[in-house]
Amino acid sequence: QLQLQESGPGLVKPSETLSLTCTVSGGSISDYYWVWIRQSAGKGLEWIGRIHGSGTTNYNASVKSRVTMSLDTSKNHFSLKLSSVTAADTAIYYCARDWNTDYFDSWGQGTLVTVSS
Amino acid sequence: DIQVTQSPSSLSAFVGDRVTISCRASRSVDNYLNWYQQRPGTAPKLLIYRGSTLQTGVPSRFSGSGSETDFILTISSLQPEDCAIYFCHQTRTLPDTFGQGTKVEIK
Repeated sequence: QLQLQESGPGLVKPSETLSLTCTVSGGSISDYYWVWIRQSAGKGLEWIGRIHGSGTTNYNASVKSRVTMSLDTSKNHFSLKLSSVTAADTAIYYCARDWNTDYFDSWGQGTLVTVSS
Repeated sequence: DIQVTQSPSSLSAFVGDRVTISCRASRSVDNYLNWYQQRPGTAPKLLIYRGSTLQTGVPSRFSGSGSETDFILTISSLQPEDCAIYFCHQTRTLPDTFGQGTKVEIK
C-alpha cells in the first residue's frame, strides 16, 4: 500500500524559503506524477504543481516565479521549495500521487506551515 | 484557469436521505472531474474519478454523474460517517482546480 509522509519546518519567517519533503513508501516515485497541494481557509484547495518521476515539472502560474520541485529517486522522495513567503502562504501542505494526471489517489496526512516572524 | 463552483456550500439531512451535490465548471472539462471526501483533521480521500467511476473500496451509496460542465455527486442513503466536506476537482486543463467544498451534516 502506497504511503506518503510530508516533513519540514512548521514555522517559516516572512521572505524566507519554505522547504518540504514528501517521502514515499510502498512504491517507486520513478513511475508516476507527484503533486503538491495546499489548503487554507481563505483559498480552499490550491494545486501548486506536479513533478514526474523523470523530473518534468508543471507549476501553477500563481506561484511559478517562487516554486521549485525536485525529486531524489535514491531516497524515494520529492521536495517543494517556495521562496519569498508571506502570510498568504500559511496553509496545510499536502503531497499526493497524481495517477496519470487524472486524479489524486493517495495523499499524505498534510503538514501545517505557518509564515510568521 | 477553469473555475469550478459547487452548490450548495453546506447542507443538513437525515440519516437515510438521498443527498446531491452539484459542481459546475466554467468551461467543458469533458469527464475529467473527480470527487473527494475530507473528514475533519484528515487529508481528502478520492471517492469518484472521471466523473462516474467509483474508487476501489468506496461504498456503493456514492455515485457520480455528468459531463462537460455539469456534474453531480449523489449519496443514495446518508450515513453518520458521511459527515464531511466534499470537493470536486477538474484535471482537464492545468492548473488543476478545486471547488470550494460542500459541508454535509446530519440533522
